[in-house]
Amino acid sequence: SQQGEEDPQALSIQEGENATMNCSYKTSINNLQWYRQNSGRGLVHLILIRSNEREKHSGRLRVTLDTSKKSSSLLITASRAADTASYFCATDASGGSYIPTFGRGTSLIVHP
Amino acid sequence: EADIYQTPRYLVIGTGKKITLECSQTMGHDKMYWYQQDPGMELHLIHYSYGVNSTEKGDLSSESTVSRIRTEHFPLTLESARPSHTSQYLCASSEYGVDTQYFGPGTRLTVL
Repeated sequence: SQQGEEDPQALSIQEGENATMNCSYKTSINNLQWYRQNSGRGLVHLILIRSNEREKHSGRLRVTLDTSKKSSSLLITASRAADTASYFCATDASGGSYIPTFGRGTSLIVHP
Repeated sequence: EADIYQTPRYLVIGTGKKITLECSQTMGHDKMYWYQQDPGMELHLIHYSYGVNSTEKGDLSSESTVSRIRTEHFPLTLESARPSHTSQYLCASSEYGVDTQYFGPGTRLTVL
């Protein structure tokens, strides 16, 4: 069953602009992860935020988590053409062995 | 770059053939996973393993089977391929107790 759901499905911006993607989920979680997938490739882990954290940074990435709203956002600042990819959130259901569930992803295109 | 490999990268075969998709990792990870992903869609978990001699079915009903005889190797077999099996197959691994997954580059399968 699908747990995380990303929004928007597609996002097109110019280089230098910020990109914001959102993820909503249905049940309580232990943590939430964001992954990136270049066209036709496997996924690459970007960042993990635990349920007791509200914000986390990694380079140009900023992730927030609001457990009361069951939502997370991924912000990419000063985007580059190389950021063009699909971005997925993955959640686990708290209380069990970690088997992540992925959403449909947000397709980001950054125009040079 | 993650040390997880998938072969072949691309495969085009006829209906009714038996195929095995290979996945190997050199990180010593206990947990391994197989996902099926159609273009622009979410990842569907089809099989996973907690370790040697452990295999479990995922959320998506699949006609494939897996085996885990060695820690580093998690092959997926389709006894009789059909056009409905056309998709991308992604293999992943993770350390037990650590939530981050490492993905292989994927196998794109086309069944004619």
